[in-house]
Amino acid sequence: ETGVTQTPRHLVMGMTNKKSLKCEQHLGHNAMYWYKQSAKKPLELMFVYNFKEQTENNSVPSRFSPECPNSSHLFLHLHTLQPEDSALYLCASSQVGDSPLHFGNGTRLTVT
Amino acid sequence: DQQVKQNSPSLSVQEGRISILNCDYTNSMFDYFLWYKKYPAEGPTFLISISSIKDKNEDGRFTVFLNKSAKHLSLHIVPSQPGDSAVYFCAAGDRKAAGNKLTFGGGTRVLVKP
Repeated sequence: ETGVTQTPRHLVMGMTNKKSLKCEQHLGHNAMYWYKQSAKKPLELMFVYNFKEQTENNSVPSRFSPECPNSSHLFLHLHTLQPEDSALYLCASSQVGDSPLHFGNGTRLTVT
Repeated sequence: DQQVKQNSPSLSVQEGRISILNCDYTNSMFDYFLWYKKYPAEGPTFLISISSIKDKNEDGRFTVFLNKSAKHLSLHIVPSQPGDSAVYFCAAGDRKAAGNKLTFGGGTRVLVKP
């Protein structure tokens, strides 16, 4: 099921690079999320957007900059990352409220 | 401090038998609980959920039990099938809080042996 599509699937970047992760949902949802999964750690919520408005920033460093131009698209702009930022970045969408999150397949990010 | 914990990192079970996955939480504000399944190279897939007003919810081979007094939930899979081999995450949320924020456990890797 590809209701939530993330690109690229894999990304290797240097610490001085600028790159962006893209997420698109085809489910008609009105909330979108970025989660981070580091090795040996639970999924961590990064950002929440409800109706294109950011409603949650879970103390994420400013080198991660989200953008939600509409309810179907979500970006995560990356710049001057650190090697410890290497992780799986997962996008999800849902209806606003307590409906289950639908996840994309993630972007595996490696910072060298 | 982790508010949602899955204390068993892995579980091995024979095909046809029952798989029981456990999850504990500490935040008494959580009133909505979910289980997700994750295959390698894929995102988590929603399996089943339960509201705090219930103590059991069943969907086919999957049943989730909630014990609010113990702040414990479990997922039963019966009968287990080889295709159930995956990592299972429990998650919890507070529906009264703004934004559908879920807190996840660390996951339990299940291996179903043929």
